[in-house]
Amino acid sequence: GQQLNQSPQSMFIQEGEDVSMNCTSSSIFNTWLWYKQDPGEGPVLLIALYKAGELTSNGRLTAQFGITRKDSFLNISASIPSDVGIYFCAGQVNNDMRFGAGTRLTVKP
Amino acid sequence: EAQVTQNPRYLITVTGKKLTVTCSQNMNHEYMSWYRQDPGLGLRQIYYSMNVEVTDKGDVPEGYKVSRKEKRNFPLILESPSPNQTSLYFCASSFRGQRAEAFFGQGTRLTVV
Repeated sequence: GQQLNQSPQSMFIQEGEDVSMNCTSSSIFNTWLWYKQDPGEGPVLLIALYKAGELTSNGRLTAQFGITRKDSFLNISASIPSDVGIYFCAGQVNNDMRFGAGTRLTVKP
Repeated sequence: EAQVTQNPRYLITVTGKKLTVTCSQNMNHEYMSWYRQDPGLGLRQIYYSMNVEVTDKGDVPEGYKVSRKEKRNFPLILESPSPNQTSLYFCASSFRGQRAEAFFGQGTRLTVV
């Protein structure tokens, strides 16, 4: 099945820096979701987007649903050490959900 | 507390010895699914279930079975595990339809030797 192209694969940043990651696909999705996975845990939903062009914030996190419905991005502002983890994008049509390979974020204090 | 519970969290087994990983959710979700997570590959769907007694194959179903006799439970069965099934497994559940935000269990790390 179609997986999503998520980039970058990994990021090493300094505390306080902003972070940007994105996801693209050749397929259209009705919903885009962003999850975070902490070590040893399951993915936890951060943001869900339901309409093309939608821009949604959750604290320091901002995500957008691309106009073409084939892409999405996630920004994290003023990163802190607890932002460390793997971030996954997911595109969904009905209950068919596809995941990106993840972006591993490391934040240096 | 709303949650998806998987057991066991860790399992080491030998090739060919049947095993079952249990998954239970307390949110009355219709939809449940199993994923495996391997380095660099993200999450790949193994099987899913739209409702009780309704199951279907995902992207990587070979070597796995599931059942959905009750709404809350969705066990994953490996009849004859092989080393290439060594992976991190996640169960997830959600309501059906557009706003189907999935909740994940904590994962089961399986090693087949």
